[in-house]
Amino acid sequence: GAVVSQHPSRVICKSGTSVKIECRSLDFQATTMFWYRQFPKQSLMLMATSNEGSKATYEQGVEKDKFLINHASLTLSTLTVTSAHPEDSSFYICSARVNEGGLPYEQYFGPGTRLTVT
Amino acid sequence: AQRVTQPEKLLSVFKGAPVELKCNYSYSGSPELFWYVQYSRQRLQLLLRHISRESIKGFTADLNKGETSFHLKKPFAQEEDSAMYYCALSGSGNTGKLIFGQGTTLQVKP
Repeated sequence: GAVVSQHPSRVICKSGTSVKIECRSLDFQATTMFWYRQFPKQSLMLMATSNEGSKATYEQGVEKDKFLINHASLTLSTLTVTSAHPEDSSFYICSARVNEGGLPYEQYFGPGTRLTVT
Repeated sequence: AQRVTQPEKLLSVFKGAPVELKCNYSYSGSPELFWYVQYSRQRLQLLLRHISRESIKGFTADLNKGETSFHLKKPFAQEEDSAMYYCALSGSGNTGKLIFGQGTTLQVKP
């Protein structure tokens, strides 16, 4: 089946630094990937839609200059949290949408990245 | 506004009992509805979608447009069903964007 990986699985960084999270589709191509944020014991909140070769589409209330998304290839999207602050600490999850042959809205989720900002 | 509501944070049942996880949605058009499941220490995975009208692991869900509901049901719960369940909605336009409910933890006791 389709597999999505994320790297790193957990990261601790100091306040003010930037951290990059990678999302890869391992055995399929994905023109579209999605980035979610999940707070403890809460639901997934869609942050942005990552489109290969074009700018990401951000959801209302998500700072695009703070959460930089780059989808440079059909198998890789990156989320960079710039100038991180403790309130950015969260669980970040990506999903990748199957390009061809998949059912509409067929998405596969990564295992998530735990970000802790100290 | 698009919204998915799962009123129960926790549902606890005994093995063999029927299960119904509630999901209500708000959407002006014709949405696609999904149930996702997350087992302990595992990633989110699709359980079923309403357009397929399928039964997966004994679970079924029927879209009721009149009541704007998409409740997940299973006649006899198993311990291995214990997990977090999310109802999700995708609107028209083929964007693939998913709006998730708050999630319900299903606990099946032996």
